[in-house]
Amino acid sequence: QKEVEQDPGPLSVPEGAIVSLNCTYSNSAFQYFMWYRQYSRKGPELLMYTYSSGNKEDGRFTAQVDKSSKYISLFIRDSQPSDSATYLCAMSWTGANNLFFGTGTRLTVIP
Amino acid sequence: GAGVSQSPSNKVTEKGKDVELRCDPISGHTALYWYRQRLGQGLEFLIYFQGNSAPDKSGLPSDRFSAERTGESVSTLTIQRTQQEDSAVYLCASSLERGADTQYFGPGTRLTVL
Repeated sequence: QKEVEQDPGPLSVPEGAIVSLNCTYSNSAFQYFMWYRQYSRKGPELLMYTYSSGNKEDGRFTAQVDKSSKYISLFIRDSQPSDSATYLCAMSWTGANNLFFGTGTRLTVIP
Repeated sequence: GAGVSQSPSNKVTEKGKDVELRCDPISGHTALYWYRQRLGQGLEFLIYFQGNSAPDKSGLPSDRFSAERTGESVSTLTIQRTQQEDSAVYLCASSLERGADTQYFGPGTRLTVL
């Protein structure tokens, strides 16, 4: 079993839709949870960073962490064609040497 | 300021040849990481540098893979006697400090082994 599971999609939505992206994990030691966005042939860029459980909102993006269920989500409101990318969840703990990534979900927002 | 840069952006090589991939981290970032991203898969950790030392090499898949970092700056990932299964995008990231701190990624080197 992988430590981080993510539905690879692909996911296609019309412009303006609400998008929900999710990851589950098995290691209860994870404390930090991140979402990266990766455009085609580019490196991942950090989108959201959350410590422990709770919600965090930044513009059209909301990240949720439920540590009791080992489940994290990223919501995108009023999705735009420019949101079309692969979204990677990542997580780690204090003192870890690296991030643990999901496989990524490929999202296409259709104009 | 400048982000993480990597070179070359693309590398095509023949099976059995050696390749060197370069990473220039963000200036002042003490921690540097190499990851591998195979098609349709998540990022796979390879090695972590703190300064010029590599306290964690646990992700290197075989002894054909090695890396070094000099001047607490540039890092080189070397793959000897390349195999077709080495084909992937190799991503470098840096962070101000170790571990869970925000990691900034370069654009990657796309390696194709024929």
